[in-house]
Amino acid sequence: AQSVTQLDSHVSVSEGTPVLLRCNYSSSYSPSLFWYVQHPNKGLQLLLKYTSAATLVKGINGFEAEFKKSETSFHLTKPSAHMSDAAEYFCVVIARDAGNMLTFGGGTRLMVKP
Amino acid sequence: DTGVSQDPRHKITKRGQNVTFRCDPISEHNRLYWYRQTLGQGPEFLTYFQNEAQLEKSRLLSDRFSAERPKGSFSTLEIQRTEQGDSAMYLCASSHTMQGGGYGYTFGSGTRLTVV
Repeated sequence: AQSVTQLDSHVSVSEGTPVLLRCNYSSSYSPSLFWYVQHPNKGLQLLLKYTSAATLVKGINGFEAEFKKSETSFHLTKPSAHMSDAAEYFCVVIARDAGNMLTFGGGTRLMVKP
Repeated sequence: DTGVSQDPRHKITKRGQNVTFRCDPISEHNRLYWYRQTLGQGPEFLTYFQNEAQLEKSRLLSDRFSAERPKGSFSTLEIQRTEQGDSAMYLCASSHTMQGGGYGYTFGSGTRLTVV
C-alpha cells in the first residue's frame, strides 16, 4: 500500500519569498511521485514528477522537488513566490501495480501575500 | 478539443434523486478514471476503465454508484438515490497506457454535485 502525507494544510508566504510545501510518502516499493496544482474552478495540473531518475526534479513555473529516500520525503520548493502561485497543491503517489491509480495527499493551500 | 470534458459543471439535486455525469476523454486515451474530491480533501480514486472494461473499483463506490464506458469512448457515472454525503466534486481523467502514468494523466474540470 502507498500513501502520502502533506504536513501543512495551509502555508502563507509573502510575494518574492521562498515557498516550501512538505510531503512525506510511504511505499512498499520504489515510488513514482508527483505534485499537482489546482487553481479555483480549474482542473488539476501536473507540476512535476519523479520516476527514479534524477532526485532533483524541475517542473513548470519555477517549482522543483527533491526526492530523499532516507527521509521518505518529496518536498516542493520555489525560490520566489508569485501572486499567481496561490492555489491548492497536492502530493501524489502512483500505484503502478493497480492501473496507475493515483493516491493524493490531503492538499496544502498556498496563500501569497502582497 | 484537446482536453477532458465533463458535463455538467454543476448539479444541484434533491436527496433521493438520481444523477448522471458524463466525461469525454482525450480521444486517443484508452484509460479513463473517476475520482471524487470532497471539500478540503484530496481527490480519492473511485474506478477506472481500460477501453470499455471496468478494471478496478474502490470500496468508496457503493451499490448506488455505477459507471460505464460503452465502446471505450465517453463514460458516465450514475448515482442513484443521492444522499447528502454524495456532495462533492467528481473528477474525470484520461491517460494512455503507452504514456507514463501520472505524466500522461489529463484531468477534466470536474462536476460539482450538491445534494440538498
